[in-house]
Amino acid sequence: EAQVTQNPRYLITVTGKKLTVTCSQNMNHEYMSWYRQDPGLGLRQIYYSMNVEVTDKGDVPEGYKVSRKEKRNFPLILESPSPNQTSLYFCASSESVGQGVYEQYFGPGTRLTVT
Amino acid sequence: GNSVTQMEGPVTLSEEAFLTINCTYTATGYPSLFWYVQYPGEGLQLLLKATKADDKGSNKGFEATYRKETTSFHLEKGSVQVSDSAVYFCALKLVGFKTIFGAGTRLFVKA
Repeated sequence: EAQVTQNPRYLITVTGKKLTVTCSQNMNHEYMSWYRQDPGLGLRQIYYSMNVEVTDKGDVPEGYKVSRKEKRNFPLILESPSPNQTSLYFCASSESVGQGVYEQYFGPGTRLTVT
Repeated sequence: GNSVTQMEGPVTLSEEAFLTINCTYTATGYPSLFWYVQYPGEGLQLLLKATKADDKGSNKGFEATYRKETTSFHLEKGSVQVSDSAVYFCALKLVGFKTIFGAGTRLFVKA
C-alpha cells in the first residue's frame, strides 16, 4: 500500500531534550516536506527536499533541522525543543504528475507537546 | 509576499445545501492551486487541483476554477452530504516545492 508513515504519532517531551520525528515514504517520490499545523494558522512549511542531499527552508525553519540521506526518509530533528514548538506535524511526499503539478501525499501526523 | 486567504469558518449547512468556500491568493509568477481536505484525526488528502488560468479542477462533486483576473480559487459543491464535514484547505505551490496553505475552513453538515 502506498503510504507516508511518521513515528512517533504522539510525543510529550521536555524543553531542551533533543528529539527526532521520522518520516518514510514507499512511493519513490523525489519531493518531501515537513509542515506544522496550528489553530488558525493552517499548515506552514518548515523544510522541503527536492531530492537526496537537497533541502531548502520553508516559511518557519527556525529551531528545526532536516536531512535527506536516502530517497525514502526525511527525518525532522529538534535539537533543543521549546514550548512554542508544541504543534501537530505532518510529513508529505510528492512527485510531478505533469505540467509542474505536484500532488502531495500526507502522513497521519505527529502530535508533539513540549513542556 | 505570497499568501492564501480563506473565508473564516466554521461553515454550517444542512444536507443538500449549496457550498461555497472562498479562497483568494497573492503570488508572484504562475502558481499551481490546490484544495485539500482533512477529516478528523487524519492527514490531508488532495481534493482537486488546477495548474493555469481558467482550469477547472473537479472531484467527488466539488469544483474550483483558477481565476487569474480575480486571483481566486473558490471551492463549490452543489449538494453537500454529512460525510463532507471536514476542514478544507486552499493551497498554492510556487517555484520548486515551496507551498503555502490557507488557514483552513471547517465545514459542518447537519442531517
